[in-house]
Amino acid sequence: EIVLTQSPGTLSLSPGERATLSCRASQSVTGSYVAWYQQKPGQAPRLLIYGAFSRATGIPDRFSGSGSGTDFTLTISRLEPEDFAVYHCQQYGNLPFTFGPGTKVDIK
Amino acid sequence: EVQLVQSEAAVKQPGESLKISCKGSGYDFPNYWIAWVRQMPGKGLEWMGIIYPADSDTRYSPSFQGQVTISGDKSISTAYLQWTTLKASDSAMYYCARISHTSSPMAYWGQGTLVTVSS
Repeated sequence: EIVLTQSPGTLSLSPGERATLSCRASQSVTGSYVAWYQQKPGQAPRLLIYGAFSRATGIPDRFSGSGSGTDFTLTISRLEPEDFAVYHCQQYGNLPFTFGPGTKVDIK
Repeated sequence: EVQLVQSEAAVKQPGESLKISCKGSGYDFPNYWIAWVRQMPGKGLEWMGIIYPADSDTRYSPSFQGQVTISGDKSISTAYLQWTTLKASDSAMYYCARISHTSSPMAYWGQGTLVTVSS
């Protein structure tokens, strides 16, 4: 089973700042099949990025993904007020599919 | 429009059984995998398993194998997650989500079903 580690656990930033979130896998992820989800309190997760760098339908271009192998990154170029949330990475290249523990982006 | 509608919140006692549901609409339900995801209070997401409704092919995470049963009824476009003997540690939010094939992300999610197990 691939274990995903996300860092930092919490990221405290101000609106307009750049956010860089890391997701590291315990072994190489097949096909770079890594997704990122955003989750706000009381809501289901929402798909942001799939295949490491492809934006899901309707996702603003301030969200971008990168990486391959074992190291993946989600970047939010300029934080908007609605971007303060928890972000989860997931690998879906190797069964069982697994999630990281999440990174909370909160307002500084 | 693709929709996944889950059953309502459930409050149960330890030792009881429970079956929660996820009804899909707006797409060809049998031919898309349904995944189940657990989220314990204040914690991250945990992938439990998936089912392909067309032939009931089911895959479980080792962490959940033997603890729950995933099933489906393609005739009514519904997937299920079932417990025979609930424990307090099963208290969590449970989400279903649709995936196109085994190597695809979860693009559509249900609204979640909150399960509370307490004496």
